[in-house]
Amino acid sequence: QSVLTQPPSVSGAPGQRVTISCTGNRSNIGAGYDVHWYKQLPGTAPKVVIYGNNKRPSGVPDRFSVSKSGTSASLAITGLQAEDEADYYCQSYDSNLNGVLFGGGTRLTVL
Amino acid sequence: EVQLLESGGGLVQPGGSLRVSCATSGFTFSGYAMSWVRQAPGKGLEWVSGISGSGGNAFYADSVRGRFTISRDNSKNTLHLLMNSLRVEDTAVYYCAKSLGDFAPLNFEYWGQGTRVSVSS
Repeated sequence: QSVLTQPPSVSGAPGQRVTISCTGNRSNIGAGYDVHWYKQLPGTAPKVVIYGNNKRPSGVPDRFSVSKSGTSASLAITGLQAEDEADYYCQSYDSNLNGVLFGGGTRLTVL
Repeated sequence: EVQLLESGGGLVQPGGSLRVSCATSGFTFSGYAMSWVRQAPGKGLEWVSGISGSGGNAFYADSVRGRFTISRDNSKNTLHLLMNSLRVEDTAVYYCAKSLGDFAPLNFEYWGQGTRVSVSS
């Protein structure tokens, strides 16, 4: 079980807004470490979609945004599109473990 | 264009050793921390190990500390992971990943396509 907890699945219709949560504790998200988000399509390598400072890599639309509060962070996707269907992972750093953490992943289904 | 190309994966028996490598191009290799991240079949991502740009600092997940050794050859722009005492649970696709910064592997800007490691008798 991951230290960073994500819902196993979320879904939404095209055009809708969905959020994916990532819950940690005081040694990772709560300690102020950034939370980054990655998208993975089946059989391919992950790609970063957004960094914890809300910076998006070139080519990622501004439909993706992040927020953080206390020991949790969230990825929001507005104007949902079929191409957004994928697995999404949050990632941060943990001072107790002295290492990098990934959430367990969330499967986003576009209905 | 940044490119990361892993190699060296394969089938190995439990208790055996294997070295995987990642050849890079398109950026100043010595200026960035690098990591290995793995994904077991049907499972999520697990960070394995990271190394600072200079190679002077290495970081490991508890699950591999003492068994795996990360290293880099900045003259050849190549990252390595030596895996000893391999276990069945080490079976995974191993990805090489580049960080934004030069010291700690706090994020992953670019990823390779992965190399598959299977540990089985």
